[in-house]
Parts: sequence; structure tokens; C-alpha cells
Amino acid sequence: QKEVEQNSGPLSVPEGAIASLNCTYSDRGSQSFFWYRQYSGKSPELIMSIYSNGDKEDGRFTAQLNKASQYVSLLIRDSQPSDSATYLCAVKNAGGTSYGKLTFGQGTILTVHP
Amino acid sequence: GAGVSQTPSNKVTEKGKYVELRCDPISGHTALYWYRQSLGQGPEFLIYFQGTGAADDSGLPNDRFFAVRPEGSVSTLKIQRTERGDSAVYLCASSLAREQFFGPGTRLTVL
Repeated sequence: QKEVEQNSGPLSVPEGAIASLNCTYSDRGSQSFFWYRQYSGKSPELIMSIYSNGDKEDGRFTAQLNKASQYVSLLIRDSQPSDSATYLCAVKNAGGTSYGKLTFGQGTILTVHP
Repeated sequence: GAGVSQTPSNKVTEKGKYVELRCDPISGHTALYWYRQSLGQGPEFLIYFQGTGAADDSGLPNDRFFAVRPEGSVSTLKIQRTERGDSAVYLCASSLAREQFFGPGTRLTVL
């Protein structure tokens, strides 16, 4: 079992729709959760971080965390063609500190078509 | 402000050669991380520094890989006797707290 699992996609949604990206993780000690966006040929860009159960909203993005189910998701409302990218889920178990390695899923390719 | 910078952006070398990859973190960031990413995969952790010392080097694949951060700022990842399987994008990230910010990466190709 991989430590962090994502459906590789591609996930295709029409412009204006809600895109839902999912991620599960195996380490119950994980404390910090991140979503990165990666355009083709570019490096990962941090778009959301979440540390406690529930929802966190930032503009068109909502991150959802359920530690009991070991599940984290990212919703993108009013999807735009410019949202087309690979979305990487990353998890950290820092043992109580702020620092530590990220463990990434393989990423979900999102395509938003006009 | 300036983000994480990495040089070179591309490096082509021959099997068996030695390479050095450089990372300049965001000013003031105390933690620096190295990852590598193969096509179609998420980044894979290699090593991280807190200040000048390596806090976790558990991701280094073997003793051909070594990294330093002598003054607690710039870091160099060193790969000896390169192999074709070392070809990947090498990413550097820095952080002041929980969030890590990535540089543009160095694409290493070993022929």
C-alpha cells in the first residue's frame, strides 16, 4: 500500500463545474496536509494547507480533512481552463515539530475543457 | 521577495561523471529540503537541513548522493558516479514553518 494515494486521472470537467480531487494516506500520525498544483514542465506550487479536521476555504479552493477516515480532498469551484494541471497531495508527520519531509501522492491530472 | 532559486536549470552528463546541483533558499528560511521527481510521479524526499546540519537524510538512495549546507543558507547536492537511473528533476524547497516552497528544479539527464 502506498503511503499517499491519489487517483492519477485524468479527471476531466467542463468549465464552470466543480472539480473534486481526493487523497488517502496510511500514516495515522500525519499532522499536516498540503495541496500543490504543478503545471507541465514547472515545479509544484503550494495552493492549500490544512491541519485540522473540517473544511478550509480560500477563494475558489476548499480543502477538506477527515483524520478518522485518513482522507483529504480538494474542491475547485467554477473550474477554469487555467486550472488544468497536476494536483499533488502531500502529507507530513513531523512528530510535533513544524519541519519534516513531505510524502507525496503521484498526482491527479485535471483537465478543464471549455 | 525572491523565491527559491536553483542552478543549473538543466544538466546533461555522462554516466560515471560527478555533478553538483545548487539551491539558494528564500532569505531567512531555516529549513531546506531536497526532493527528486521522475516523470509521472510525485516528488520523492531525499534530505533536509535545519540550519547547517542534516536533520533527516533517510531519503538518500545510496552513498553516491551527498548534500551540504555549510553556512546554513545555500545547499549543494552532490552525486558521484552518476547512473542513468539518476535522471530526474531535482527539486529544492525551503520553509520557515510548516509550509514548503519549491524552486524551479534542475533537470538532470545522465546519458
